[in-house]
Amino acid sequence: DQQVKQNSPSLSVQEGRISILNCDYTNSMFDYFLWYKKYPAEGPTFLISISSIKDKNEDGRFTVFLNKSAKHLSLHIVPSQPGDSAVYFCAARRNNNDMRFGAGTRLTVKP
Amino acid sequence: KAGVTQTPRYLIKTRGQQVTLSCSPISGHRSVSWYQQTPGQGLQFLFEYFSETQRNKGNFPGRFSGRQFSNSRSEMNVSTLELGDSALYLCASRLARSTDTQYFGPGTRLTVL
Repeated sequence: DQQVKQNSPSLSVQEGRISILNCDYTNSMFDYFLWYKKYPAEGPTFLISISSIKDKNEDGRFTVFLNKSAKHLSLHIVPSQPGDSAVYFCAARRNNNDMRFGAGTRLTVKP
Repeated sequence: KAGVTQTPRYLIKTRGQQVTLSCSPISGHRSVSWYQQTPGQGLQFLFEYFSETQRNKGNFPGRFSGRQFSNSRSEMNVSTLELGDSALYLCASRLARSTDTQYFGPGTRLTVL
């Protein structure tokens, strides 16, 4: 059961522009959401998170937006840099239960 | 503080064999979770261990099993390997089950021939 979906397998953006990665979920009980970044041959690294009581969380160039009514979250990267090129996974969990991940979106930032 | 370590990093097995993967969590972390990553499927949750007890389990067959030791190190075992078991197996640790953020190891790349 794919409770967390990332419908865009890939995204290509020009350096300096905004990258917007999207994620949809089906389980309204999820109360915490995270974004991870993964480079080849490495494990995912935590990027940013948001609790369901908030609708926005910002950390430097990274901002996560949560729309609970639409069961949708997005990650904005501004400005995008070539080093941001990686696979981005969104994840969701509820009540300390296991984390559910999306299939990932491969972001390519072109110089 | 050292990160999550996984051994071995790469493994090649043949169908029908069994394999054991090891994970050492970040010092002080007591929860260890295992994931399988395959192309197009993202990370699929296998199971979580805390205080040497399995707390959560994903939708994988019984051929996949695990355990956790008193020092929080964890092992994952896959018996009667199938070609479809070829994947990157990731281990993640967190301080406690109430902690939201998990930290991942580099993974073990398993290839089944």
